Amino acid sequence: NAGVTQTPKFQVLKTGQSMTLQCAQDMNHNSMYWYRQDPGMGLRLIYYSASEGTTDKGEVPNGYNVSRLNKREFSLRLESAAPSQTSVYFCASTPNGGVSSYNEQFFGPGTRLTVL
Amino acid sequence: RKEVEQDPGPFNVPEGATVAFNCTYSNSASQSFFWYRQDCRKEPKLLMSVYSSGNEDGRFTAQLNRASQYISLLIRDSKLSDSATYLCVVNPKTSYDKVIFGPGTSLSVIP
Repeated sequence: NAGVTQTPKFQVLKTGQSMTLQCAQDMNHNSMYWYRQDPGMGLRLIYYSASEGTTDKGEVPNGYNVSRLNKREFSLRLESAAPSQTSVYFCASTPNGGVSSYNEQFFGPGTRLTVL
Repeated sequence: RKEVEQDPGPFNVPEGATVAFNCTYSNSASQSFFWYRQDCRKEPKLLMSVYSSGNEDGRFTAQLNRASQYISLLIRDSKLSDSATYLCVVNPKTSYDKVIFGPGTSLSVIP
């Protein structure tokens, strides 16, 4: 199993450009997440998908959109990139959802994005 | 006040030393607690869960103090390979299937 994969690993954009970050997991997990990590800020949740066909906003959703294409794939789109979106983006997945349980989050290797 | 707070460090300790990290959380209804480890420029990985009674995994001991709303991680006999950032993670149970990550504490173990 590859676990959680992300593409691309690195990306440089100019302000105003758009791009889509891809994430896929082969562990048959139900829930998937997109985080951004900035120095001193910890991981902040952008969007999550509790199950196929559903998506919800996290802590910092402005400037982003997501698509849960199927159970395996969860993409993050930046429609008009801004320098404030320079960050490291991590995708993660967990086996099951539910407020009464928590399952380990498995992370992808990250995408390092710079917006000039 | 942030939901989850940690001393950012860095903690610089010699090999063989014992080091402890604390993490405080603001939501008293939080139910689940975890420590993740993140190596430089890598993804976070689960180190251990934190149970009410405290738990130990080899050189690592995690404890929870609900009254004071903090969790701790103790590392004994530090190894060079323990150098990493340690993330405190709390499930606040305020919404479906989301958790809050602390900013992390950086540890460097020195030969």
